[in-house]
Amino acid sequence: AQKVTQAQTEISVVEKEDVTLDCVYETRDTTYYLFWYKQPPSGELVFLIRRNSFDEQNEISGRYSWNFQKSTSSFNFTITASQVVDSAVYFCALSEAYDYKLSFGAGTTVTVRA
Amino acid sequence: EAGVAQSPRYKIIEKRQSVAFWCNPISGHATLYWYQQILGQGPKLLIQFQNNGVVDDSQLPKDRFSAERLKGVDSTLKIQPAKLEDSAVYLCASSPTPGLAGEYKNIQYFGAGTRLSVL
Repeated sequence: AQKVTQAQTEISVVEKEDVTLDCVYETRDTTYYLFWYKQPPSGELVFLIRRNSFDEQNEISGRYSWNFQKSTSSFNFTITASQVVDSAVYFCALSEAYDYKLSFGAGTTVTVRA
Repeated sequence: EAGVAQSPRYKIIEKRQSVAFWCNPISGHATLYWYQQILGQGPKLLIQFQNNGVVDDSQLPKDRFSAERLKGVDSTLKIQPAKLEDSAVYLCASSPTPGLAGEYKNIQYFGAGTRLSVL
């Protein structure tokens, strides 16, 4: 069975601070995908990033970066120089390679104060 | 490109009443999903369609919930009769046709959801 754990319930920062969101996952599959989604107050889940299990290269995309470590089953996500518009609930999710079903964590609420 | 459309945005009903939600996926997306998101939790998959066929409905409470996607495009989710614990946001998502979208085939795109309150 798949499981995604986001231990941080809420994070509050001041604008321009960096924010790192933790995600730990469990799966018996050798091929899988990991995702981060953002849910602003409007309610729509917005796709941010995806990583497959064979690619542990960490990347930076604008103000977003991620740290994928299979050895610790972690897929952490960082927002650099946070802005008020980054305030939202962030979800980590996991899917198997062939059925595309997403298993979500409980989410981390990020509040960025001006 | 238009996103996933859902209606209504909000619905308030009394327990034991029935309710229906509508979803129109992104044009050309073969796979459609319905999720239930209870306050403070992550979304939980209820049902997955591939075109007009059901791929997975193992988490759908079939005694009260039903869903259909008759022409392989838009979909409706119904609850009859509703219970207090059905209060949640119901999210619809779609993803491109497997095999045709290459790298992007398993990215799900979500609508804004329908917030249901059962009193």
